[in-house]
Amino acid sequence: DSGVTQTPKHLITATGQRVTLRCSPRSGDLSVYWYQQSLDQGLQFLIQYYNGEERAKGNILERFSAQQFPDLHSELNLSSLELGDSALYFCASSVDPSTDTQYFGPGTRLTVL
Amino acid sequence: DQQVKQNSPSLSVQEGRISILNCDYTNSMFDYFLWYKKYPAEGPTFLISISSIKDKNEDGRFTVFLNKSAKHLSLHIVPSQPGDSAVYFCAGRAAGNKLPFGGGTRVLVKP
Repeated sequence: DSGVTQTPKHLITATGQRVTLRCSPRSGDLSVYWYQQSLDQGLQFLIQYYNGEERAKGNILERFSAQQFPDLHSELNLSSLELGDSALYFCASSVDPSTDTQYFGPGTRLTVL
Repeated sequence: DQQVKQNSPSLSVQEGRISILNCDYTNSMFDYFLWYKKYPAEGPTFLISISSIKDKNEDGRFTVFLNKSAKHLSLHIVPSQPGDSAVYFCAGRAAGNKLPFGGGTRVLVKP
């Protein structure tokens, strides 16, 4: 158990819909990262937050957005969902952006039908 | 732009033998390299890292080697155990703590 929690574990929805994935970092971690792992693909970095502020952006689509709240939990919002958005979405946390180790949550499996 | 590549998608090895996983990178600004291990239905877990100023880091059965001139790193697992069967990702850390990951190598250790 990494200490990072993600809800829900599984999500099934239809194309065109909008969903919100939630992540709670490890206690004391200020930095949160979101990753996408599509079928047979590696982990793609989406976005990073540090203490409520966006810190770095990766290959995140405009239909996707995220935020980190004052209590440090983070939400990833996916809208106008397409079949290709079906993937595992991982959240990770670290103490601060300079720390080399990120601790990953168990992931949310999103299925878009 | 895939900055980190793992060219072998899978590897099969006999229990007790050595597993060697390879990773190539293009970004010379990486200051740390990390290996993560992932079991099905779980998030990746940190395994071992190496600073770009070193060429070797060892932790128990796991050793990572870095060849900066070749922009290549490898993870050696010896001896391999059935519990090592997992997908292994290498990643490079650059400024801003972006962590580009390779595509992963699936390791199967046969008893």
